[in-house]
Amino acid sequence: GENVEQHPSTLSVQEGDSAVIKCTYSDSASNYFPWYKQELGKRPQLIIDIRSNVGEKKDQRIAVTLNKTAKHFSLHITETQPEDSAVYFCAAPGGTALIFGKGTTLSVSS
Amino acid sequence: DGGITQSPKYLFRKEGQNVTLSCEQNLNHDAMYWYRQDPGQGLRLIYYSQIVNDFQKGDIAEGYSVSREKKESFPLTVTSAQKNPTAFYLCASSEGVSTLDTQYFGPGTRLTVL
Repeated sequence: GENVEQHPSTLSVQEGDSAVIKCTYSDSASNYFPWYKQELGKRPQLIIDIRSNVGEKKDQRIAVTLNKTAKHFSLHITETQPEDSAVYFCAAPGGTALIFGKGTTLSVSS
Repeated sequence: DGGITQSPKYLFRKEGQNVTLSCEQNLNHDAMYWYRQDPGQGLRLIYYSQIVNDFQKGDIAEGYSVSREKKESFPLTVTSAQKNPTAFYLCASSEGVSTLDTQYFGPGTRLTVL
């Protein structure tokens, strides 16, 4: 079945720096890769997703890149702000349900 | 995601008790899911349902049970067989049953065993 590995588990950056979180997956047939943001005590919320027919997708300061050959996809956050501090989860399809990575705790200090 | 509600927000259980967590959605979504979240473990799938009166086990179904008698409701029962039930429980739904469909999460229930 699908296996999703997410790195790093924690990431600390200064405000204004960029942050990159990477996920690898094992099933070459996977074709949908969402990213969720979860603030402390809140529900996970979808922030961006990518499907396998494109290599990159951007939404303001957030972008996701996909490398199907290497079976990895990454979340890029530019010009980080303190409100970007949260736990970020990647996911990939595993049979009939999504498989989530273990999460990355991003801390942005001002 | 505002159309998914979970109750209660906090729940305390004594050892040996069964407790039921509520999940309701008014989004007319076909699929519903239950996840368990522990620190450093990410989201682990307990059960999911793609249609009324049908549901499938996820990766950690032991000690849990569900029902899907109505499209909008997917309650989760944590039984006394679940040895370590203290966790944050998240319900989710998606419009269709494909893994290409976006999942929307409820606000969660934090269960603590006393």
